[in-house]
Amino acid sequence: AQSVTQPDIHITVSEGASLELRCNYSYGATPYLFWYVQSPGQGLQLLLKYFSGDTLVQGIKGFEAEFKRSQSSFNLRKPSVHWSDAAEYFCAVGSKAAGNKLTFGGGTRVLVKP
Amino acid sequence: GAVVSQHPSWVICKSGTSVKIECRSLDFQATTMFWYRQFPKQSLMLMATSNEGSKATYEQGVEKDKFLINHASLTLSTLTVTSAHPEDSSFYICSAAPPASFNYEQFFGPGTRLTVL
Repeated sequence: AQSVTQPDIHITVSEGASLELRCNYSYGATPYLFWYVQSPGQGLQLLLKYFSGDTLVQGIKGFEAEFKRSQSSFNLRKPSVHWSDAAEYFCAVGSKAAGNKLTFGGGTRVLVKP
Repeated sequence: GAVVSQHPSWVICKSGTSVKIECRSLDFQATTMFWYRQFPKQSLMLMATSNEGSKATYEQGVEKDKFLINHASLTLSTLTVTSAHPEDSSFYICSAAPPASFNYEQFFGPGTRLTVL
């Protein structure tokens, strides 16, 4: 079975500082990996995704993520955080073996200090 | 493209009544739709997978008689919460996957906030 762990429940970062959100997955074969962002009371917005190829993936809003198979990780990064980046971030994993199902991590809430 | 809508965006109902939530893919056909439940400050939990024209597949622990799912067309799936109780209050999110979606990407709706009094 596939699983996703986001070790950090909360992260507080100053505006303009860099941000890194951790995501570790558990799955035997090559997973499909996603990062979503959710603002309060809203649905999910896809930031980026990895299926194959280049392990450094660029997404929207200045986010990027790097797939590291050896570490079973797919960490999300942003060089300079804006106040509007305050939200909940979810990492998710899918796979052919699981059909179309996605498994979500517990989420990381990002707070941005002025 | 790839827009998914949900209706209503929020609903308040009395205990014991039934509530129907619609999920529509607006600009693509979705052979598979998913229903998730999200409690406050928690992650999304998959409730069921629905495929057009066939019965939904429910995740373990989800009562199929309480959460009725119908996927009558390639653009519409509905979730009916029957005999709702306060513990059913939650944020319900649907997603849709286009046919032959080799990368298993899902497109998410904006969610429906259900409050049962």
